[in-house]
Amino acid sequence: DAGITQSPRYKITETGRQVTLMCHQTWSHSYMFWYRQDLGHGLRLIYYSAAADITDKGEVPDGYVVSRSKTENFPLTLESATRSQTSVYFCASSGQLNTGELFFGEGSRLTVL
Amino acid sequence: AQKITQTQPGMFVQEKEAVTLDCTYDTSDPSYGLFWYKQPSSGEMIFLIYQGSYDQQNATEGRYSLNFQKARKSANLVISASQLGDSAMYFCAMGNYGQNFVFGPGTRLSVLP
Repeated sequence: DAGITQSPRYKITETGRQVTLMCHQTWSHSYMFWYRQDLGHGLRLIYYSAAADITDKGEVPDGYVVSRSKTENFPLTLESATRSQTSVYFCASSGQLNTGELFFGEGSRLTVL
Repeated sequence: AQKITQTQPGMFVQEKEAVTLDCTYDTSDPSYGLFWYKQPSSGEMIFLIYQGSYDQQNATEGRYSLNFQKARKSANLVISASQLGDSAMYFCAMGNYGQNFVFGPGTRLSVLP
């Protein structure tokens, strides 16, 4: 099916482990984003990408790594998970930022013990 | 820098009445888009309405309208004839060409029967 999908939807891990959240979109959108959502903070931008092989930091990039070797995929890696990274993570994509809406994945709920 | 401000953490409205959710923004770019999203308790992000910075008329989508005042840099969402299903978090957002997509902290709307 067309759309934007995230996996896993739910993940429990331990402090210090590496975790990768996957994001795949089928629209060939240029722009892709990773946000985290915590109570009281709304959505905060972690990283975004304007095209394959082009990524840039958002508001809260520390502790995260991204890559975009293909237009359709934008994985987010926590290299050494910390409890403060317990959150809901949303991936989103857009074809044109000033005229096109963001399309969101369903979110990935990550718990770091 | 881009910034979105939503000064109402929570709002209450009686069923069938209209409600206005405030949003102000800051950008130095001449071309941008303003968006409103709804997030119900189930967690998904639902796109509601879009206003382009060059649009002369206020955007409307069914019961949703966007009161766009460019000189004041405000983009308030008006929901007419509120329904119980409108109870949710509402996020104002802005997309700038060539940059990224930022969200405000959100307003929690509760519709009372």
